[in-house]
Amino acid sequence: AQSVTQLGSHVSVSEGALVLLRCNYSSSVPPYLFWYVQYPNQGLQLLLKYTTGATLVKGINGFEAEFKKSETSFHLTKPSAHMSDAAEYFCAVRDTGTASKLTFGTGTRLQVTL
Amino acid sequence: EPEVTQTPSHQVTQMGQEVILRCVPISNHLYFYWYRQILGQKVEFLVSFYNNEISEKSEIFDDQFSVERPDGSNFTLKIRSTKLEDSAMYFCASIPSTDTQYFGPGTRLTVL
Repeated sequence: AQSVTQLGSHVSVSEGALVLLRCNYSSSVPPYLFWYVQYPNQGLQLLLKYTTGATLVKGINGFEAEFKKSETSFHLTKPSAHMSDAAEYFCAVRDTGTASKLTFGTGTRLQVTL
Repeated sequence: EPEVTQTPSHQVTQMGQEVILRCVPISNHLYFYWYRQILGQKVEFLVSFYNNEISEKSEIFDDQFSVERPDGSNFTLKIRSTKLEDSAMYFCASIPSTDTQYFGPGTRLTVL
């Protein structure tokens, strides 16, 4: 069975500082990997995804993530945090099979301070 | 840009009552999903639906739950007799064939 571990339920950074949100997965086969963002009282919005090809993927709002198979990781980064980045971030994994379900991590709440 | 829509945005019900949550997936999508998120917890898979039948369901999706695609556009989740622990945000998602799931804004269900 697949699983996702997000280290740190809460992360606080200063505006302009580096954002690093950690995600490790467990899967018997190389999976597809996703990061979703949830703003207060809103649904889940896709930030970025890794399926095949280049292991460094770029998403919306300046975020990027790198798939490292040897470390079974898919950490999310952004060079310079903005106040508008404050939200809940979820890492998710799914099988590469057609239309498989997503398995989510427990989420990391990002706080951005002045 | 096409979006998944869900109604209502908030549903309050009494324990033991039936509720139907509605979703309109993106029109050319073929696979449909329901997930739920209990307050403060992670998003959990409930059920997936393809070609007018359930393709996969989780342990959470017991006999109290059912899904239906009554027409060409709507996708519904019914809870027959709600319990307090069913209080959660319920998300609908859809995909065209593979790859990215597109999520709706969610329905917050409160069971009193």
